[in-house]
Amino acid sequence: GAVVSQHPSWVICKSGTSVKIECRSLDFQATTMFWYRQFPKQSLMLMATSNEGSKATYEQGVEKDKFLINHASLTLSTLTVTSAHPEDSSFYICSAGGGSYEQYFGPGTRLTVT
Amino acid sequence: AQSVTQPDIHITVSEGASLELRCNYSYGATPYLFWYVQSPGQGLQLLLKYFSGDTLVQGIKGFEAEFKRSQSSFNLRKPSVHWSDAAEYFCAVDLSGNTGKLIFGQGTTLQVKP
Repeated sequence: GAVVSQHPSWVICKSGTSVKIECRSLDFQATTMFWYRQFPKQSLMLMATSNEGSKATYEQGVEKDKFLINHASLTLSTLTVTSAHPEDSSFYICSAGGGSYEQYFGPGTRLTVT
Repeated sequence: AQSVTQPDIHITVSEGASLELRCNYSYGATPYLFWYVQSPGQGLQLLLKYFSGDTLVQGIKGFEAEFKRSQSSFNLRKPSVHWSDAAEYFCAVDLSGNTGKLIFGQGTTLQVKP
């Protein structure tokens, strides 16, 4: 099956700094990728749709200025958490469509803000 | 509001016993339905999906699910559980057809007793 990678797998940063998370489709191209957030023992919540070559579409309640998304190529989307605060600590997961109505998910990135 | 409900947060079954995980959705039409499994350190893996046709769908790892329109349900089943099936299971729907934007249920944690 198709593979989606994320980097880094975990990151610890200090409050006020920015962190960039990468999502790559390794063996297929994806014009659209999705970013989810998962709190411990909870479900995945869709944050935004990343569109190659255009602006991302954010879900209601998600701060676009805090969570910057860039879809620079057909295989790479990045999520930058700006001016991170402890409440931004979470598990961030991306997905990309590989056809056949299936989304392939990355392994996730654990962000801890101290 | 459109939603996905997994009534069972935590289920424990003995190895070799049968399993059924419940999923109900709230939506006017028939959405695209999915079951994913999440294991620690790994990305979500698709177990099976339903779009149309035969309401009983077969998936990987011996899982199957049955779509029941009258009950707005898409329950996941396995006749004999293996210890390696212990994981988090998520039901998800794509309400807008093949957009890739998924709404997830709360998840069910499956524990398998030896």
